[in-house]
Amino acid sequence: DAGVIQSPRHEVTEMGQEVTLRCKPISGHDYLFWYRQTMMRGLELLIYFNNNVPIDDSGMPEDRFSAKMPNASFSTLKIQPSEPRDSAVYFCASSRPGGETQYFGPGTRLLVL
Amino acid sequence: GQNIDQPTEMTATEGAIVQINCTYQTSGFNGLFWYQQHAGEAPTFLSYNVLDGLEEKGRFSSFLSRSKGYSYLLLKELQMKDSASYLCAVSHQNSGNTPLVFGKGTRLSVIA
Repeated sequence: DAGVIQSPRHEVTEMGQEVTLRCKPISGHDYLFWYRQTMMRGLELLIYFNNNVPIDDSGMPEDRFSAKMPNASFSTLKIQPSEPRDSAVYFCASSRPGGETQYFGPGTRLLVL
Repeated sequence: GQNIDQPTEMTATEGAIVQINCTYQTSGFNGLFWYQQHAGEAPTFLSYNVLDGLEEKGRFSSFLSRSKGYSYLLLKELQMKDSASYLCAVSHQNSGNTPLVFGKGTRLSVIA
């Protein structure tokens, strides 16, 4: 079975540009999580969805960040406009109904210049 | 608030045993996880403890004491490939499928 799929794997952009990160969860998983990892702050939750509905977005840093899940097999995390402090690795993870274990995608390494 | 503490770095010798400790303070508790993360890669699931005691899985074991807010990951017969960061994470809401709160990870270096 395919794991969690994320694209792009690497993104380099300039400050002020829009960035869109994509995630395809494992088939049959109805929970989807977006995390951000930096050296200073470690791995932090940004937002998570259940059955395509956002449950908790309290970790989203500010209005420049938005996330959607239009269907069970696709989610996006958008940053507009991007800033250098957004540089980090962004992970998507999913878990099955009633399951505790989250499975992580390979991450998107974002660099904002 | 949620607080998870683990040592920043550890070094151990190939073939030896190493114990990585984790203490946590969270509002609510639904289980403690250990993940392994090699440099530049995604975290991968190692173990899950929800009840007190020791869970053994091959060379890796994880222990939990809920009353003490304490867990450890025990790695036996260390191999060079075990060099990685080990992340302690707590599911802090009283139901499944909740987001995890992660410690900052312990970077383990295995030397010959």
